[in-house]
Amino acid sequence: AQKVTQAQTEISVVEKEDVTLDCVYETRDTTYYLFWYKQPPSGELVFLIRRNSFDEQNEISGRYSWNFQKSTSSFNFTITASQVVDSAVYFCALSEAGNAGNMLTFGGGTRLMVKP
Amino acid sequence: EAQVTQNPRYLITVTGKKLTVTCSQNMNHEYMSWYRQDPGLGLRQIYYSMNVEVTDKGDVPEGYKVSRKEKRNFPLILESPSPNQTSLYFCASSLLSQYNEKLFFGSGTQLSVL
Repeated sequence: AQKVTQAQTEISVVEKEDVTLDCVYETRDTTYYLFWYKQPPSGELVFLIRRNSFDEQNEISGRYSWNFQKSTSSFNFTITASQVVDSAVYFCALSEAGNAGNMLTFGGGTRLMVKP
Repeated sequence: EAQVTQNPRYLITVTGKKLTVTCSQNMNHEYMSWYRQDPGLGLRQIYYSMNVEVTDKGDVPEGYKVSRKEKRNFPLILESPSPNQTSLYFCASSLLSQYNEKLFFGSGTQLSVL
């Protein structure tokens, strides 16, 4: 069975600090997909990134970067020079290839508060 | 604009009174799904549909029904709501492929059952 753990339930930083959100996953499949979604205070879910299990290259998009390490089953998310607008709940999710339901298994989420 | 539209955004009801939350997508996606979000638990899948007239249970289907009579619509039905169904609900859709495409989510429906 697949499982995603986000051990940090809440993180508080001051603007311009760097912050890393941890995500650890469990799966028996060799082919799977990892996702990050952002949920701002308005409540909608915003897609950030999708990664397949064969692509371990780190990814950078502006102030966001992702570190995928299969050896530790982790897919961590770093925000550099955080801003107040980054305040949100962030979800990591896993989907196993061939899962008929295309089901995303979500972690419990990490609430990030960026203070001015 | 490509989107998933859910209605209503907020709903307060009483135990046992049947309700329907509507969901519609304009992206011609084959796959649609419903999730509920509860504090500390993230999102959990309720039901999904891989095409018209094809639906199946997710992780937490008890107390819910769905139907998929048209490709664009996927309503969530609570025949007899109970307080433990108070939650934030999301409808989602995606292309259907072997590559587990990203899900597009609606804006959410906050349901309170008194």
